Amino acid sequence: QKEVEQDPGPLSVPEGAIVSLNCTYSNSAFQYFMWYRQYSRKGPELLMYTYSSGNKEDGRFTAQVDKSSKYISLFIRDSQPSDSATYLCAMPGYSSASKIIFGSGTRLSIRP
Amino acid sequence: DTEVIQTPKHLVMGMTNKKSLKCEQHMGHRAMYWYKQKAKKPPELMFVYSYEKLSINESVPSRFSPECPNSSLLNLHLHALQPEDSALYLCASSWGLAGGTNTGELFFGEGSRLTVL
Repeated sequence: QKEVEQDPGPLSVPEGAIVSLNCTYSNSAFQYFMWYRQYSRKGPELLMYTYSSGNKEDGRFTAQVDKSSKYISLFIRDSQPSDSATYLCAMPGYSSASKIIFGSGTRLSIRP
Repeated sequence: DTEVIQTPKHLVMGMTNKKSLKCEQHMGHRAMYWYKQKAKKPPELMFVYSYEKLSINESVPSRFSPECPNSSLLNLHLHALQPEDSALYLCASSWGLAGGTNTGELFFGEGSRLTVL
């Protein structure tokens, strides 16, 4: 079993729709949960991160963590064509010198 | 300055060539990383430097040789590569290594797209 699982999509929705992107993870020691966005032919950029359980909102984006289910979500409200990108969930490992563990990424396309 | 700058953006090389990829950041970050990314796949960690010392080598073949001349610069020396090494090579930096209470937030460059003929 992979430590982080993410549906690769592709996911295509009309402009203005609410988008839900999800990841599951297996290691209950994970504490920080991040979402990176990667546009085509660019490097990933950090979109949001949350600590432990709960919600965090930033404009049209909401990150949600449910540690009891080992499930994280990213919601995009009023989606725009400019949101079309690959979204990668990521978690730093628990040990002191560990690597960031990425999900496989979900390709999202917003249709005008 | 919040940029990670990678050069060159594109590189085409033969299997017998020697070339280098370069990365620099001026954010004062003490950890720097090389990732390899194939199409439609997530970034795959290759090397991590922390305070200019190699901290993690993810069992990368010796035809890839990293170098960290100082805290702002990171190089990846390439020699005798194979066509399957063609990929986007991403450099990243962070304040410190991930773990414990440190998120290890990564700042990525735009990548160097490598084609090996």
